[in-house]
Amino acid sequence: GESVGLHLPTLSVQEGDNSIINCAYSNSASDYFIWYKQESGKGPQFIIDIRSNMDKRQGQRVTVLLNKTVKHLSLQIAATQPGDSAVYFCAEWEGNTPLVFGKGTRLSVIA
Amino acid sequence: DAMVIQNPRYQVTQFGKPVTLSCSQTLNHNVMYWYQQKSSQAPKLLFHYYDKDFNNEADTPDNFQSRRPNTSFCFLDIRSPGLGDAAMYLCATSRDLGEDYNEQFFGPGTRLTVL
Repeated sequence: GESVGLHLPTLSVQEGDNSIINCAYSNSASDYFIWYKQESGKGPQFIIDIRSNMDKRQGQRVTVLLNKTVKHLSLQIAATQPGDSAVYFCAEWEGNTPLVFGKGTRLSVIA
Repeated sequence: DAMVIQNPRYQVTQFGKPVTLSCSQTLNHNVMYWYQQKSSQAPKLLFHYYDKDFNNEADTPDNFQSRRPNTSFCFLDIRSPGLGDAAMYLCATSRDLGEDYNEQFFGPGTRLTVL
């Protein structure tokens, strides 16, 4: 079946640097994507979303880029802080099926 | 504050002993979901309710059942827990189904241990 996946399982960055987390998807019919942050022992928390009629969306310190040609999206975190340490999931709306989650990338911020 | 509440936060049960996990929401959302998340893995959807309409994922084992007696509450029943069912169970809600409503709000999860 079609699925959502992530390129890297772990990412370590220096505090203050920018982080880029990547995600590939295979369902060309998907038209809505969400990035979630999950801290240890907690449920996923919405960060930012993007629809397929957009290629970029910015939030506070976060930017999501969508490349529909290669079915790829990324999450950019500016000036990464220790509080950003968590697992990040991309997820997509796939037809009538509720969110399909990718594998997750663990972001570790080095002080 | 409006929220999704899960009880208990930690649940220990014995192999084969039925267990029920609880979820409640004050958001008045139409849709409630149950996810299973094992260590270092992504949440996996078990089933969801759209109002009273139950939707089971094809690969959800029969051992897992759910009840939604009213808008606010949804229960996950595991009839005969096995060691492989030890996981974090996440409840989530969304206002409705469809691309304008599918932001999900998650509870803190219940961590289930099976002895």
